[in-house]
Amino acid sequence: SAVISQKPSRDICQRGTSLTIQCQVDSQVTMMFWYRQQPGQSLTLIATANQGSEATYESGFVIDKFPISRPNLTFSTLTVSNMSPEDSSIYLCSERTSNEQFFGPGTRLTVL
Amino acid sequence: ELKVEQNPLFLSMQEGKNYTIYCNYSTTSDRLYWYRQDPGKSLESLFVLLSNGAVKQEGRLMASLDTKARLSTLHITAAVHDLSATYFCAVAGSNYKLTFGKGTLLTVNP
Repeated sequence: SAVISQKPSRDICQRGTSLTIQCQVDSQVTMMFWYRQQPGQSLTLIATANQGSEATYESGFVIDKFPISRPNLTFSTLTVSNMSPEDSSIYLCSERTSNEQFFGPGTRLTVL
Repeated sequence: ELKVEQNPLFLSMQEGKNYTIYCNYSTTSDRLYWYRQDPGKSLESLFVLLSNGAVKQEGRLMASLDTKARLSTLHITAAVHDLSATYFCAVAGSNYKLTFGKGTLLTVNP
C-alpha cells in the first residue's frame, strides 16, 4: 500500500482564520479523497480531489469553505476557511489504489 | 442515498468470548470495507470484501459479505484485550466514495 503523510498532524487555531492541510502519497494514486471525523463520530466524505480539475464536493460541503487542490497524482491540499469551533475535527486524506482504500494519519484541528 | 447501519454501537466483551458485529447497507454495492481505529489514531484497513459470499479471516477476526441481504458481519473469536478499538464498516458507492457506519466501540475486559 502507498504511504500517506499529512501535515500538520494537529493544530489549534483561532476562529475566523484558515488552515491548509497537506497530504502526500509516496506513489502515484488514482483517486484521493478528503474525509472529516467530528469528535466521537464516524467519517464523512468532504470531497473527491481531482487531479488537474476542480474537486467534487459532497452535499453539505462547498468550495468556498473547503477549497481543495490536487496539482499532481501524489499531492493534495485541503483548506478549512474562516474557521469556527464547529470545524474542530480530524481531517483525513485517503487514497484508492485498485480495490483498497487507505487513510492518512489525520490532522486534528481545534478551533477556539 | 446509500445508508449504512452498524450494530451494536457499543460492545463490552469478556476475554475468550465470541461476538459478531453487523453492517447493513441500503443499496447495491460491490465493495465493502472493515477498518479498525484505536483512540487518537487513524484508520487501519482490515478487510475488503468484493463479492457475494466472500469470507476473509485474519487472526481472531473474520469478515463475510452477503450482497443479496446487503449484510456484512465481523466475527470476533476468543476475544483478547488487544482487540479493544472502534470498528467501522464502510460501503463503496459511485466513484468509490465510502459511506461509513457509525462504528462499534469494542471493549474487551479481562
